[in-house]
Formats: sequence, structure tokens, C-alpha cells
Amino acid sequence: DVKVTQSSRYLVKRTGEKVFLECVQDMDHENMFWYRQDPGLGLRLIYFSYDVKMKEKGDIPEGYSVSREKKERFSLILESASTNQTSMYLCASRETGTGLTGELFFGEGSRLTVL
Amino acid sequence: GQSLEQPSEVTAVEGAIVQINCTYQTSGFYGLSWYQQHDGGAPTFLSYNGLDGLEETGRFSSFLSRSDSYGYLLLQELQMKDSASYFCAETFGGYQKVTFGIGTKLQVIP
Repeated sequence: DVKVTQSSRYLVKRTGEKVFLECVQDMDHENMFWYRQDPGLGLRLIYFSYDVKMKEKGDIPEGYSVSREKKERFSLILESASTNQTSMYLCASRETGTGLTGELFFGEGSRLTVL
Repeated sequence: GQSLEQPSEVTAVEGAIVQINCTYQTSGFYGLSWYQQHDGGAPTFLSYNGLDGLEETGRFSSFLSRSDSYGYLLLQELQMKDSASYFCAETFGGYQKVTFGIGTKLQVIP
């Protein structure tokens, strides 16, 4: 069964703290994504990794970095958390290949509150 | 920034048909997907259109017209459990990045 696991469902951090959000998939997928979801704004792409150690910026990469040292794990890093980064963070993975639908498999989300 | 447009809210009656439209404006376009998200849950995949035309999966159908940069999701025989947010998402670019619209909140009423 397909599984994308995000390490924390709920986090509360202080302004200026360094925050790590971890995501692990067990499907051997090449691609992984980080989105944030805010009311009225839908899902916005932060970063995308198309292979190990490879990444592309999404629409809102400012204030974030990512790490993909192993195929199954994609980490989102907030170097210095700010209150405007309070949000729901969603990780997803995708298999690549001709003829596939490109379905994204999502984790359950990590709700981050920055005080 | 986001180049997908879809209505923010739609209300429909149980048993009826509803269509949710989506327009996009991205070069390097590969295809259009649709996702459903219930409150408190993760988005789940509904359908994908890589070519023009209609794709049908049970009560749900999705349509794409590349020449019009337009697609829609059609939900038939609406049920109360279909109340959810529906997102269109475009796949584009060399590595097939995926970006989402703002989502359409569908409320099904008795």
C-alpha cells in the first residue's frame, strides 16, 4: 500500500527557530514535493525534487530550503521561522514514467504554528 | 505565481450534476489533474487528462481542451459525501512540476 509519512502532525515553534519537516515515502518514487496550504490560497508549491540531490524551486521558495540525500526522504527546512510561515505543510511523491497519470500521493500534513 | 483559475465555491443539490471549470495559462503544459480534499484530510487524486477529450471514472468525468487552455470536472448523481474541496492541478515543464489552483469548495445540499 502506498504510504507517505510526515514526521509531525502538529508543531509549535518560536520565531527565529530552525525547523525541520521530514517526509518519507515507501514507494521508491523519484519525485517528491513540498506544498503549503493556506485558506483561500490553495496549495502552493515550495520546492520540488526530481531525483536524489536534485531540486527545483516552486512558486514560494523564499525562507525555505530542502534536502534530498536519500530517495525516500525529502526534508523541508525553515532556516529562521517567522510567523508568516504558520501553515499546513503537505508533502507528496510521484512515480515517473511514460503513460502514467502523474498521480501525487500526499502525506497527512504537518500543521506548523510559529509564535 | 499561480496561473490556474477555478471558482472558489459551488453549491449543488443532492442527485444533481455539477461542473467545476478550470483555466490555465502555462507554457510547457503536459496535463491537467483533479484532486479531492475533505476537511482535515489530505488531497486525493481523482483524474488526469493529458490529451484532449473526456475521461470517465464512475460518477466523475474530466475534460480537457488544450486549444482553449480549459478543463472541467463533472460530478454526476451528487451525494452528500461529495461535499469537499476540488483542486485542478497542472503538470508542466521539463521535470513535470505540478502546481494547484486555489480550489473549489463544493457544498451538496439535500
